[in-house]
Amino acid sequence: GQQLNQSPQSMFIQEGEDVSMNCTSSSIFNTWLWYKQEPGEGPVLLIALYKAGELTSNGRLTAQFGITRKDSFLNISASIPSDVGIYFCAGRRETSGSRLTFGEGTQLTVNP
Amino acid sequence: GAVVSQHPSWVICKSGTSVKIECRSLDFQATTMFWYRQFPKQSLMLMATSNEGSKATYEQGVEKDKFLINHASLTLSTLTVTSAHPEDSSFYICSAIGDRAINQPQHFGDGTRLSIL
Repeated sequence: GQQLNQSPQSMFIQEGEDVSMNCTSSSIFNTWLWYKQEPGEGPVLLIALYKAGELTSNGRLTAQFGITRKDSFLNISASIPSDVGIYFCAGRRETSGSRLTFGEGTQLTVNP
Repeated sequence: GAVVSQHPSWVICKSGTSVKIECRSLDFQATTMFWYRQFPKQSLMLMATSNEGSKATYEQGVEKDKFLINHASLTLSTLTVTSAHPEDSSFYICSAIGDRAINQPQHFGDGTRLSIL
């Protein structure tokens, strides 16, 4: 089953607002990934994090690998309507080889 | 780079039919491919991990005789849903990683919507 707790489950925001979502776990992960999925499509990689404390940006998106290696967050600044979608965190544990564990997803709705 | 193509994108068929889904890495060699299943409004559930030239490793609860996986080349893996029934209807997504470094991120195909009547 899922071992990543992702929150919030959904967000309804106005265009221009900043967004923050996070994933936590009781297990240690050595890689954190953030993906965005739009309806009827596969997830698209947004940001990959490989070191504890790492802070990485991709345009208006910023993600951090928590110091404890048990959490990660994703921030979106100045949201726009095309940010709508489901955002998934995914983590890789040392004992899992290349397999990923996914969070439950955050459904983001941006009102123009 | 790192483009993964999945085909078909949508299939509707009668109960009892077997359905094959293809997953191709277009611009890299995929040593490992993964097959996921996703129900509406839910997260991705890993079904199996497929390494080129060897048997797939199935997750607990996934019937390997029901979901046949073949990874015969470094650019192609196939998932065959045998004798499909309505409960097999779902969104199936593949992903791939490009080399044997296990910390490489997975790149996903666009998914296949399978509807069994």
